[in-house]
Amino acid sequence: GQNIDQPTEMTATEGAIVQINCTYQTSGFNGLFWYQQHAGEAPTFLSYNVLDGLEEKGRFSSFLSRSKGYSYLLLKELQMKDSASYLCAVLDSNYQLIWGAGTKLIIKP
Amino acid sequence: DAMVIQNPRYQVTQFGKPVTLSCSQTLNHNVMYWYQQKSSQAPKLLFHYYDKDFNNEADTPDNFQSRRPNTSFCFLDIRSPGLGDAAMYLCATSRDGTGNSNQPQHFGDGTRLSIL
Repeated sequence: GQNIDQPTEMTATEGAIVQINCTYQTSGFNGLFWYQQHAGEAPTFLSYNVLDGLEEKGRFSSFLSRSKGYSYLLLKELQMKDSASYLCAVLDSNYQLIWGAGTKLIIKP
Repeated sequence: DAMVIQNPRYQVTQFGKPVTLSCSQTLNHNVMYWYQQKSSQAPKLLFHYYDKDFNNEADTPDNFQSRRPNTSFCFLDIRSPGLGDAAMYLCATSRDGTGNSNQPQHFGDGTRLSIL
């Protein structure tokens, strides 16, 4: 079966750095997405990785290791507005998006 | 601004009473998706259209139907809603479904469906 694992919930402090991990087991791989979803709202696109390594985009960075079936999302200089769920999703060999259940990130002052 | 629009944001219906959710897009994307998302769970793909080609997920109940009369509009029909169908319904689009970095899925704001 296909499986995406990410922690259910994480807590961090405003101004700090947090790393959200995602491991996956899918039938084929055509890239990995990270989405942000605020409560009661739709997911919004954050990043896409298809090659190994780190992609940096402002305060957010995403890392991929295909051999390990592993990715992380790194958030720096945390702000209260970063409180949200972060969903990892993998595009499988049929170009279907396999979604993780999301990691709820709680930011404390 | 080009976007994906879902109406209404909140929908209340009675147990067993048919309901239709709508989605429109101004992105001119080929692919449109309908997802069901329950609290603290991953979005669950119900079906998608590649242009007019309809693709139903194997585990999508027959109670759920969809129509795409043209490129811009897509509808989700729930013929006889049950209590278990209460959820957020998300519409998304992508340019051609291969999902590379230039073509992530763009989501509407969702419709939260409640069943009385």
